[in-house]
Amino acid sequence: GAVVSQHPSRVICKSGTSVKIECRSLDFQATTMFWYRQFPKQSLMLMATSNEGSKATYEQGVEKDKFLINHASLTLSTLTVTSAHPEDSSFYICSAREQGGTDTQYFGPGTRLTVL
Amino acid sequence: QKEVEQNSGPLSVPEGAIASLNCTYSDRGSQSFFWYRQYSGKSPELIMFIYSNGDKEDGRFTAQLNKASQYVSLLIRDSQPSDSATYLCAVQGSTFGDGTTLTVKP
Repeated sequence: GAVVSQHPSRVICKSGTSVKIECRSLDFQATTMFWYRQFPKQSLMLMATSNEGSKATYEQGVEKDKFLINHASLTLSTLTVTSAHPEDSSFYICSAREQGGTDTQYFGPGTRLTVL
Repeated sequence: QKEVEQNSGPLSVPEGAIASLNCTYSDRGSQSFFWYRQYSGKSPELIMFIYSNGDKEDGRFTAQLNKASQYVSLLIRDSQPSDSATYLCAVQGSTFGDGTTLTVKP
């Protein structure tokens, strides 16, 4: 149980385009989902926390207009990187916390974004 | 001071040895503690969680929690080369340390 999927697993795009990443909890309902970014050999960096049906809470320094998060249902959250630039190239990982469950976060497999 | 502190390592142990990973946290009111393993290029995967003081064992892994001293540790017995990874400590499920890189040498 507690499986989280992400799609796509890998994406390459041109500078200036937008990219949408989906995060789904497959066998549980997730009240809260988290989006992280990780650069090579660096630690996880929390970007934002999203709660179903409400606006996401962004960490300091993360541009909410550039990284659009939608948590429309208890099993789906999306992250859209708008007007992507090469410096946005990174490993984006989502996680989900089960509704009514423990504090445990279950991580998706990640999406590797490369902006040319 | 970071909320969750881990020795970045790298920690190197020989195969078959016990690897000991430590984590300290600043919020004395924290109730839940988690250990994740992250292989290079992959996302973190949950190893185990612990809520109560003392030891919790799961196979070769033992988590130890001491709330009075505000530390939580992870012991890996009979370490294998496949255990080579970065180990992340998380407090209250959402505050992560920077991780400790473990290398198990054959």
